[in-house]
Amino acid sequence: DTEVTQTPKHLVMGMTNKKSLKCEQHMGHRAMYWYKQKAKKPPELMFVYSYEKLSINESVPSRFSPECPNSSLLNLHLHALQPEDSALYLCASSRRAETNYGYTFGSGTRLTVV
Amino acid sequence: GENVEQHPSTLSVQEGDSAVIKCTYSDSASNYFPWYKQELGKRPQLIIDIRSNVGEKKDQRIAVTLNKTAKHFSLHITETQPEDSAVYFCAAGTHQGGKLIFGQGTELSVKP
Repeated sequence: DTEVTQTPKHLVMGMTNKKSLKCEQHMGHRAMYWYKQKAKKPPELMFVYSYEKLSINESVPSRFSPECPNSSLLNLHLHALQPEDSALYLCASSRRAETNYGYTFGSGTRLTVV
Repeated sequence: GENVEQHPSTLSVQEGDSAVIKCTYSDSASNYFPWYKQELGKRPQLIIDIRSNVGEKKDQRIAVTLNKTAKHFSLHITETQPEDSAVYFCAAGTHQGGKLIFGQGTELSVKP
């Protein structure tokens, strides 16, 4: 298995809703990442997990809450989002955070906040 | 701070011509330089990468060159085909926790 799988593929949520994005990989990678991408812009790093511990938080608002339950799973919990948070949310993984080997992106969750 | 500049922002070529996209990075600690191709509505896909101990790498019609002194790296696509049309992103990474800094992207259009 050489893929990063993200669910759901599309999500529409209201500003008062609570939802979660899920990411899964079975490549034995020990680094996992959340990126946010707006249309026609590059991906922007949000969080890095290294060996299931949060190692980088790029000053992301607290309405985004990451969680890494085990080495294969990464979640992003969403609460009280704003319309400007609408974007493509990409998960990625690599063998280790220190080496960048095998850096692979998932297909993303397209999030719309209404 | 860390920054990657990418040029041009748009590039239009005729099928069969070559395309060159250039990036410059600011962090001298950067040691990993991947290139991603992103088609509309799809994920960024790694097409080639290079590490700082290598000056050039080639994979069929795609090649990447790196000039560490100038902090400059480039993507070269030869014999372009319409299916090469996409947005291409360069990126730079360091040993600092797996973070990739992306360039702003180049929208490549290959006209038949």
